[in-house]
Amino acid sequence: KAGVTQTPRYLIKTRGQQVTLSCSPISGHRSVSWYQQTPGQGLQFLFEYFSETQRNKGNFPGRFSGRQFSNSRSEMNVSTLELGDSALYLCASSRDRAGETQYFGPGTRLLVL
Amino acid sequence: EDKVVQSPLSLVVHEGDTVTLNCSYEVTNFRSLLWYKQEKKAPTFLFMLTSSGIEKKSGRLSSILDKKELFSILNITATQTGDSAVYLCAVEYGNKLVFGAGTILRVKS
Repeated sequence: KAGVTQTPRYLIKTRGQQVTLSCSPISGHRSVSWYQQTPGQGLQFLFEYFSETQRNKGNFPGRFSGRQFSNSRSEMNVSTLELGDSALYLCASSRDRAGETQYFGPGTRLLVL
Repeated sequence: EDKVVQSPLSLVVHEGDTVTLNCSYEVTNFRSLLWYKQEKKAPTFLFMLTSSGIEKKSGRLSSILDKKELFSILNITATQTGDSAVYLCAVEYGNKLVFGAGTILRVKS
């Protein structure tokens, strides 16, 4: 069974730009969660999608948004990038909910200059 | 405020030692507690715990949950250098996971 895939793996952007990250979950998994990981804040929950609906959202500004498609693939978008958005963005999938056995993708490392 | 606290923050042991990592939590509507191991890449799943007092084991690793006292421990026996990693604890409630800051474990040969 193929694992969770994320694209791109690395990204360099400048302040003010926007970025879209993509995540393909494990086949059969319908729950997709996004996390931001930084050395200072650790792993922080962004949002969780299930059947194209956002079921929960973390404490991030509205510049962070996401969506899920009918095939369970998900994208997250960050608009008006700030230096502090530099982080590893991880996507994780599970069968039905975030707290089940959740498998992480390799992450997208975003650097904002 | 919901929170997950792990201790110790870091630990250095010698190969063969046994270590115990702690995770305490304060969340409403608890559903499950998960342990992950993270090396220089994405976290890998270790255990999911939902019931108190039932130990889960995988090789040299084991974990148990106490829902009354709101904590979990992760034990690693006969540690090896390959166990060096960050160990993350996460608690699920309301379709989201809240992660602790992690425990950095370094095993010296």
